[in-house]
Amino acid sequence: EDQVTQSPEALRLQEGESSSLNCSYTVSGLRGLFWYRQDPGKGPEFLFTLYSAGEEKEKERLKATLTKKESFLHITAPKPEDSATYLCAVCRGSYIPTFGRGTSLIVHP
Amino acid sequence: GAVVSQHPSWVICKSGTSVKIECRSLDFQATTMFWYRQFPKQSLMLMATSNEGSKATYEQGVEKDKFLINHASLTLSTLTVTSAHPEDSSFYICSAREDGRFWEQYFGPGTRLTVT
Repeated sequence: EDQVTQSPEALRLQEGESSSLNCSYTVSGLRGLFWYRQDPGKGPEFLFTLYSAGEEKEKERLKATLTKKESFLHITAPKPEDSATYLCAVCRGSYIPTFGRGTSLIVHP
Repeated sequence: GAVVSQHPSWVICKSGTSVKIECRSLDFQATTMFWYRQFPKQSLMLMATSNEGSKATYEQGVEKDKFLINHASLTLSTLTVTSAHPEDSSFYICSAREDGRFWEQYFGPGTRLTVT
């Protein structure tokens, strides 16, 4: 059974304090790993897709990396508007993602 | 581009009644749509996958007679919660995918269902 574990469950940062969110997974035949951002009461917003170990993608203050067992979402100099829940999901050949529980990030001004 | 809408955004209904939630892809044709349920501080749990013009495929443990899914066109899928009970109260989210673009799944804004 595919498993996706995200840590920490919650993270509080001061504005400008960089940190990383972790997504560890156990899945045979990984075809893709996804990162989404979800604001309260809203649907997830797509951020990144990573396909193979060693791959990295960046968008503004966010950078996602992938190894054979985990992915990291690095947040550099975060701002209060980066506060949200960040979801990780993995896909096998069925193209149907399995989601983790997410990391709730709060960035204080 | 790639906008998915849901209607209503929230709904309150009485126990025993049925409620229908619509999911629309506004600027693309969605050959596949997914329905998820999310409880507070929990992950998105896939309920069912629907392909346009065919019956939905339900995940294990999801009652297909209770959660009726119809994907009658390439831009519209509906989820009907029949004989709703308080334990059905949750946040329901749909997502849509274009034919051939297997890695790109776009989510709707969600529908908050409260059954009293």
